Amino acid sequence: DVVMTQSPLSLPVTLGQPASISCKSSQSLLYGDGNTYLNWFHQRPGQSPRRLIYKVSNRDSGVPDRFSGSGSGTDFTLKISRVEAEDVGVYYCMQGTHWPQTFGQGTKVEIK
Amino acid sequence: QERLVESGGGLVKPGESLRLSCEASGFTFSDYYMSWIRQPPGKGLEWVAYIRSGGGTKFYADSVKGRFIISRDDAKNFLYLQMNSLRAEDTALYYCSSFDFWGRGTLVTVSS
Repeated sequence: DVVMTQSPLSLPVTLGQPASISCKSSQSLLYGDGNTYLNWFHQRPGQSPRRLIYKVSNRDSGVPDRFSGSGSGTDFTLKISRVEAEDVGVYYCMQGTHWPQTFGQGTKVEIK
Repeated sequence: QERLVESGGGLVKPGESLRLSCEASGFTFSDYYMSWIRQPPGKGLEWVAYIRSGGGTKFYADSVKGRFIISRDDAKNFLYLQMNSLRAEDTALYYCSSFDFWGRGTLVTVSS
């Protein structure tokens, strides 16, 4: 199975400051069709997950543009340009290139 | 508005069975690949099973292969998960999701 490793696992952030989460996969996520199926999800406390980013860098509808995704191959990053209070929660990367689909361990973002 | 509503969770003993249902509304269900994802209490997300539109292609996590069966009824807009030979480690909140959309989950507890 493809192992997804996120870092850090805990991220205290200051409101208005940037934040960055790394996600590394144990195999390349480049699929034969030329796409890289790497998603980012956000789960607020007590809520269901919500997808923020699909195929590395595409923001889902309604996702603020302070969220951006980048990367290729095995190394990916989610960046928040200016953290807001509603951004707290756990962030997960997930690969959809290889079966079984696998999630990272999650990165808990909290306000300092 | 897109909506997914899971049902069928509950408390069962090890070795017993349970059938989860997920009713979709507000979007063309038959066009979407669907998955079940679970989250043990206080832990991260685990992908469980996947079914393509039309139901002809299915994939399962190794941890549930041979015990769980995913199916769908596109005429009724329902997704199902038949869970057999349940184990304590299957205890989790089970989400129905297309990854674009998520339900609120249904709790399955396996305990003697």
